Amino acid sequence: EPEVTQTPSHQVTQMGQEVILRCVPISNHLYFYWYRQILGQKVEFLVSFYNNEISEKSEIFDDQFSVERPDGSNFTLKIRSTKLEDSAMYFCASSGAANQETQYFGPGTRLLVL
Amino acid sequence: SQKIEQNSEALNIQEGKTATLTCNYTNYSPAYLQWYRQDPGRGPVFLLLIRENEKEKRKERLKVTFDTTLKQSLFHITASQPADSATYLCALVNSNTGKLIFGQGTTLQVKP
Repeated sequence: EPEVTQTPSHQVTQMGQEVILRCVPISNHLYFYWYRQILGQKVEFLVSFYNNEISEKSEIFDDQFSVERPDGSNFTLKIRSTKLEDSAMYFCASSGAANQETQYFGPGTRLLVL
Repeated sequence: SQKIEQNSEALNIQEGKTATLTCNYTNYSPAYLQWYRQDPGRGPVFLLLIRENEKEKRKERLKVTFDTTLKQSLFHITASQPADSATYLCALVNSNTGKLIFGQGTTLQVKP
């Protein structure tokens, strides 16, 4: 069964450093998402991406965040200057359509900012 | 703003019983509502989707109801098993962008 993959599984970084989280969505999917989950809290929407542009972003997704689909398979989330409060589990998801469709989530990248 | 609430207290039940989880929402009229399962340290896994014009949806031992007047969805697991122990998330769907707004989840513990 096709699945969403994410790398790395864990990332430890120093405050102020840049990190890039990588995702390979399911190959025929068109809609891509990033969510995050701070330990013990709910899963929060960050951004949705369709047709090579952002279709919606949350208040969390400020100028420090960016997304890119550099080629036909990868989908990346970049945090330019990490803060302590960016420590969380980051999930990538993809779906074949925006509605009526299952979103398939990856296993997540656990980011720890020191 | 849109708000979605699930019972934050863990639900402990005996194997074989029916588990019922509640999801309430405000300030939103979703066309769809989804339920996901999340195991510790893992990503959410889709279980069921129910549309606003559907009162009930079933899949094997799972049943979801959707009451748009009460702004509530109920999620039932019949003949529960210890393997059903997990956190169950309710999510509202933005039908234009697919954005999911999650509740905080209810943790279910099924004891043998």
